[in-house]
Amino acid sequence: DSGVTQTPKHLITATGQRVTLRCSPRSGDLSVYWYQQSLDQGLQFLIHYYNGEERAKGNILERFSAQQFPDLHSELNLSSLELGDSALYFCASSGTGEETQYFGPGTRLLVL
Amino acid sequence: ILNVEQSPQSLHVQEGDSTNFTCSFPSSNFYALHWYRWETAKSPEALFVMTLNGDEKKKGRISATLNTKEGYSYLYIKGSQPEDSATYLCAHLESYIPTFGRGTSLIVHP
Repeated sequence: DSGVTQTPKHLITATGQRVTLRCSPRSGDLSVYWYQQSLDQGLQFLIHYYNGEERAKGNILERFSAQQFPDLHSELNLSSLELGDSALYFCASSGTGEETQYFGPGTRLLVL
Repeated sequence: ILNVEQSPQSLHVQEGDSTNFTCSFPSSNFYALHWYRWETAKSPEALFVMTLNGDEKKKGRISATLNTKEGYSYLYIKGSQPEDSATYLCAHLESYIPTFGRGTSLIVHP
Protein backbone atom coordinates (compact mmCIF):
# COMPACT_ATOMS: atom_id res chain seq x y z
CA ASP A 1 0.00 0.00 0.00
CA SER A 2 1.60 3.25 -1.21
CA GLY A 3 -0.55 5.48 0.96
CA VAL A 4 -2.04 7.16 -2.11
CA THR A 5 -5.77 6.63 -2.54
CA GLN A 6 -7.84 7.03 -5.67
CA THR A 7 -11.59 6.89 -6.11
CA PRO A 8 -13.49 5.43 -7.75
CA LYS A 9 -11.65 2.24 -8.69
CA HIS A 10 -13.83 1.65 -11.72
CA LEU A 11 -16.04 3.95 -13.71
CA ILE A 12 -18.27 3.15 -16.66
CA THR A 13 -19.90 6.01 -18.50
CA ALA A 14 -21.14 7.05 -21.91
CA THR A 15 -19.66 9.25 -24.60
CA GLY A 16 -20.28 12.93 -24.07
CA GLN A 17 -20.45 12.62 -20.30
CA ARG A 18 -18.25 14.23 -17.65
CA VAL A 19 -16.52 12.44 -14.78
CA THR A 20 -14.34 13.43 -11.84
CA LEU A 21 -11.50 11.29 -10.56
CA ARG A 22 -10.19 11.90 -7.08
CA CYS A 23 -6.75 11.41 -5.58
CA SER A 24 -5.55 11.78 -2.00
CA PRO A 25 -1.75 11.94 -1.72
CA ARG A 26 0.36 10.37 1.00
CA SER A 27 0.33 12.30 4.23
CA GLY A 28 2.78 15.18 3.96
CA ASP A 29 3.29 14.95 0.20
CA LEU A 30 2.79 18.27 -1.58
CA SER A 31 3.05 17.08 -5.18
CA VAL A 32 0.44 15.23 -7.20
CA TYR A 33 0.98 13.89 -10.70
CA TRP A 34 -1.74 12.54 -13.01
CA TYR A 35 -1.05 9.91 -15.67
CA GLN A 36 -3.05 8.13 -18.33
CA GLN A 37 -2.33 4.61 -19.48
CA SER A 38 -4.17 3.41 -22.56
CA LEU A 39 -3.94 -0.08 -24.03
CA ASP A 40 -1.68 0.96 -26.89
CA GLN A 41 0.30 3.59 -25.01
CA GLY A 42 2.73 3.67 -22.15
CA LEU A 43 2.25 5.88 -19.15
CA GLN A 44 1.48 9.39 -20.39
CA PHE A 45 2.06 12.33 -18.10
CA LEU A 46 -0.93 14.65 -17.90
CA ILE A 47 -0.32 17.29 -15.25
CA HIS A 48 1.59 18.03 -12.04
CA TYR A 49 0.46 20.12 -9.08
CA TYR A 50 2.61 21.27 -6.21
CA ASN A 51 1.02 22.66 -3.05
CA GLY A 52 -2.08 23.79 -4.89
CA GLU A 53 -0.42 25.27 -7.96
CA GLU A 54 0.06 23.82 -11.41
CA ARG A 55 3.75 23.11 -11.92
CA ALA A 56 3.95 21.28 -15.23
CA LYS A 57 1.60 20.22 -17.96
CA GLY A 58 2.03 17.31 -20.31
CA ASN A 59 -0.17 15.88 -23.03
CA ILE A 60 -3.42 16.85 -21.38
CA LEU A 61 -6.40 17.48 -23.64
CA GLU A 62 -8.34 20.72 -23.37
CA ARG A 63 -11.38 18.63 -22.38
CA PHE A 64 -9.47 17.58 -19.27
CA SER A 65 -8.74 19.76 -16.28
CA ALA A 66 -7.37 19.26 -12.82
CA GLN A 67 -6.93 21.07 -9.56
CA GLN A 68 -5.34 20.55 -6.19
CA PHE A 69 -7.25 21.72 -3.15
CA PRO A 70 -5.97 23.29 0.10
CA ASP A 71 -6.09 19.90 1.82
CA LEU A 72 -3.80 18.69 -1.03
CA HIS A 73 -6.21 16.20 -2.54
CA SER A 74 -6.55 16.52 -6.30
CA GLU A 75 -9.31 15.98 -8.82
CA LEU A 76 -9.05 15.26 -12.52
CA ASN A 77 -12.10 16.29 -14.50
CA LEU A 78 -12.73 14.67 -17.87
CA SER A 79 -15.50 16.12 -20.00
CA SER A 80 -17.11 15.43 -23.38
CA LEU A 81 -15.82 11.93 -23.04
CA GLU A 82 -14.87 9.95 -26.12
CA LEU A 83 -14.32 6.23 -26.59
CA GLY A 84 -10.59 6.87 -26.79
CA ASP A 85 -10.56 8.27 -23.27
CA SER A 86 -11.03 4.75 -21.91
CA ALA A 87 -7.88 4.11 -19.94
CA LEU A 88 -6.35 3.56 -16.55
CA TYR A 89 -5.74 6.86 -14.78
CA PHE A 90 -3.09 6.96 -12.09
CA CYS A 91 -2.15 9.63 -9.68
CA ALA A 92 1.14 9.69 -7.85
CA SER A 93 2.42 11.83 -5.03
CA SER A 94 5.86 12.89 -3.90
CA GLY A 95 7.40 15.13 -1.31
CA THR A 96 8.84 17.97 -3.36
CA GLY A 97 8.10 16.94 -6.94
CA GLU A 98 11.65 15.77 -7.41
CA GLU A 99 11.71 12.66 -5.32
CA THR A 100 10.27 9.19 -5.47
CA GLN A 101 6.73 9.10 -6.77
CA TYR A 102 4.24 6.85 -5.00
CA PHE A 103 1.45 5.64 -7.24
CA GLY A 104 -2.15 5.11 -6.29
CA PRO A 105 -4.10 2.02 -7.37
CA GLY A 106 -5.58 3.78 -10.38
CA THR A 107 -9.07 4.45 -11.69
CA ARG A 108 -10.14 2.36 -14.65
CA LEU A 109 -12.42 4.38 -16.91
CA LEU A 110 -14.52 2.76 -19.59
CA VAL A 111 -16.39 5.00 -22.00
CA LEU A 112 -19.13 3.22 -23.95
CA ILE B 1 17.54 10.47 -28.80
CA LEU B 2 14.29 12.43 -28.57
CA ASN B 3 12.31 9.99 -26.50
CA VAL B 4 12.89 7.58 -23.67
CA GLU B 5 13.65 4.17 -25.08
CA GLN B 6 13.97 0.91 -23.25
CA SER B 7 15.49 -2.31 -24.44
CA PRO B 8 14.86 -5.09 -24.75
CA GLN B 9 11.08 -4.92 -24.95
CA SER B 10 10.79 -8.29 -23.26
CA LEU B 11 13.09 -10.82 -21.71
CA HIS B 12 12.68 -14.42 -20.61
CA VAL B 13 15.31 -15.80 -18.25
CA GLN B 14 15.75 -18.81 -16.04
CA GLU B 15 15.72 -18.59 -12.27
CA GLY B 16 19.21 -17.75 -11.07
CA ASP B 17 20.25 -15.92 -14.24
CA SER B 18 21.51 -12.37 -13.96
CA THR B 19 20.11 -9.87 -16.40
CA ASN B 20 20.22 -6.23 -17.34
CA PHE B 21 18.13 -3.74 -19.30
CA THR B 22 18.83 -0.35 -20.81
CA CYS B 23 17.04 2.97 -20.64
CA SER B 24 18.15 5.62 -23.13
CA PHE B 25 17.09 9.24 -22.75
CA PRO B 26 17.92 12.70 -24.10
CA SER B 27 21.22 13.76 -22.56
CA SER B 28 20.35 17.47 -22.65
CA ASN B 29 18.28 19.12 -19.89
CA PHE B 30 18.64 16.15 -17.57
CA TYR B 31 16.95 16.50 -14.20
CA ALA B 32 16.44 12.98 -12.86
CA LEU B 33 15.96 9.39 -13.92
CA HIS B 34 13.51 7.12 -12.13
CA TRP B 35 13.21 3.34 -12.27
CA TYR B 36 9.94 1.60 -11.43
CA ARG B 37 8.83 -1.98 -11.07
CA TRP B 38 5.30 -2.68 -12.29
CA GLU B 39 3.63 -5.99 -11.56
CA THR B 40 0.52 -7.02 -13.41
CA ALA B 41 -2.69 -5.67 -11.86
CA LYS B 42 -0.73 -3.45 -9.49
CA SER B 43 0.65 0.09 -9.56
CA PRO B 44 4.19 1.10 -10.47
CA GLU B 45 6.50 0.91 -7.48
CA ALA B 46 9.56 3.12 -7.29
CA LEU B 47 12.93 1.41 -7.30
CA PHE B 48 15.47 4.19 -7.71
CA VAL B 49 15.73 7.94 -8.18
CA MET B 50 19.00 8.89 -9.85
CA THR B 51 20.17 12.44 -10.30
CA LEU B 52 23.95 12.58 -10.68
CA ASN B 53 26.16 11.35 -13.49
CA GLY B 54 27.91 8.20 -12.30
CA ASP B 55 25.20 7.45 -9.73
CA GLU B 56 25.01 3.82 -8.69
CA LYS B 57 22.09 2.66 -6.57
CA LYS B 58 21.41 -0.77 -5.09
CA LYS B 59 18.45 -2.42 -3.43
CA GLY B 60 18.98 -6.07 -2.61
CA ARG B 61 19.71 -7.93 -5.84
CA ILE B 62 18.75 -4.98 -8.02
CA SER B 63 21.13 -2.19 -8.92
CA ALA B 64 21.23 0.68 -11.39
CA THR B 65 23.81 2.95 -12.95
CA LEU B 66 23.47 6.32 -14.64
CA ASN B 67 25.41 8.07 -17.39
CA THR B 68 23.86 11.47 -18.03
CA LYS B 69 26.52 12.58 -20.53
CA GLU B 70 25.70 9.80 -22.98
CA GLY B 71 22.06 9.46 -21.91
CA TYR B 72 21.64 5.95 -20.60
CA SER B 73 20.93 4.00 -17.46
CA TYR B 74 21.30 0.29 -16.82
CA LEU B 75 19.24 -1.79 -14.43
CA TYR B 76 20.80 -5.05 -13.25
CA ILE B 77 19.14 -7.96 -11.51
CA LYS B 78 21.47 -10.52 -9.99
CA GLY B 79 20.23 -14.08 -9.56
CA SER B 80 16.72 -13.50 -10.93
CA GLN B 81 13.84 -15.06 -9.03
CA PRO B 82 10.29 -15.76 -10.29
CA GLU B 83 9.02 -12.95 -8.05
CA ASP B 84 11.16 -10.52 -10.08
CA SER B 85 8.79 -11.06 -13.01
CA ALA B 86 7.36 -7.64 -13.81
CA THR B 87 7.65 -4.74 -16.22
CA TYR B 88 10.51 -2.40 -15.42
CA LEU B 89 9.90 1.22 -16.39
CA CYS B 90 12.26 4.12 -16.52
CA ALA B 91 11.19 7.76 -16.53
CA HIS B 92 13.30 10.74 -17.55
CA LEU B 93 12.46 13.98 -15.79
CA GLU B 94 13.10 17.28 -17.49
CA SER B 95 11.94 20.30 -15.53
CA TYR B 96 9.33 18.35 -13.56
CA ILE B 97 7.95 16.72 -16.71
CA PRO B 98 8.36 12.93 -16.62
CA THR B 99 8.58 10.94 -19.83
CA PHE B 100 8.25 7.20 -19.43
CA GLY B 101 9.71 4.48 -21.59
CA ARG B 102 7.49 1.61 -22.73
CA GLY B 103 9.19 -0.72 -20.26
CA THR B 104 11.02 -4.03 -20.33
CA SER B 105 8.84 -7.02 -19.50
CA LEU B 106 10.84 -9.58 -17.54
CA ILE B 107 9.63 -13.14 -17.06
CA VAL B 108 11.68 -15.39 -14.81
CA HIS B 109 11.01 -19.08 -15.31
CA PRO B 110 11.43 -21.43 -12.31
